[in-house]
Amino acid sequence: DAMVIQNPRYQVTQFGKPVTLSCSQTLNHNVMYWYQQKSSQAPKLLFHYYDKDFNNEADTPDNFQSRRPNTSFCFLDIRSPGLGDAAMYLCATGAGTGGRTEAFFGQGTRLTVV
Amino acid sequence: AQRVTQPEKLLSVFKGAPVELKCNYSYSGSPELFWYVQYSRQRLQLLLRHISRESIKGFTADLNKGETSFHLKKPFAQEEDSAMYYCALVSGGSYIPTFGRGTSLIVHP
Repeated sequence: DAMVIQNPRYQVTQFGKPVTLSCSQTLNHNVMYWYQQKSSQAPKLLFHYYDKDFNNEADTPDNFQSRRPNTSFCFLDIRSPGLGDAAMYLCATGAGTGGRTEAFFGQGTRLTVV
Repeated sequence: AQRVTQPEKLLSVFKGAPVELKCNYSYSGSPELFWYVQYSRQRLQLLLRHISRESIKGFTADLNKGETSFHLKKPFAQEEDSAMYYCALVSGGSYIPTFGRGTSLIVHP
């Protein structure tokens, strides 16, 4: 069953200790997104890849980085997590072409910073 | 910049009652509007999109460009409709969705 998979589902990290969240897809989509969602707020786009092209949102802190080594995988790196970075992180994919604008989501990784 | 507003954080109804989840947007061009749903312990998934003009699980939504709204409606709510509902917008020529903050729908038996 084609899908978007995020690992881990729950991640606890220490204040200031680098952490990496991972996402994989079997949909062969061009676009992979990372959204941050805090309680009762809209999912906020951090950045996305269109193929190998990285697109950062203007207000995404430098503390957040991303890597996409191939079509299937995308990683979110938080270099020095602060307490304010505790949130649900959603990975999504999309075709990005042909008018196909639906986004397909993983189940999310809930990050706790202690 | 485009924006999606869902004014209700929580909507609580009884089974069989009509439901309307509100969504307003701000965008000067021709947007594409979506409703996504997240059931308990499941991933966010597409419910319907305005260009399809379809009814999914009894839900419909009409794009009203004059009022810049895309409200989600169902005439008779069911308990299994309890979920978080997110309205989303993709601006013309783009592929990136912008989401509202979501409305939690609770349908009581």
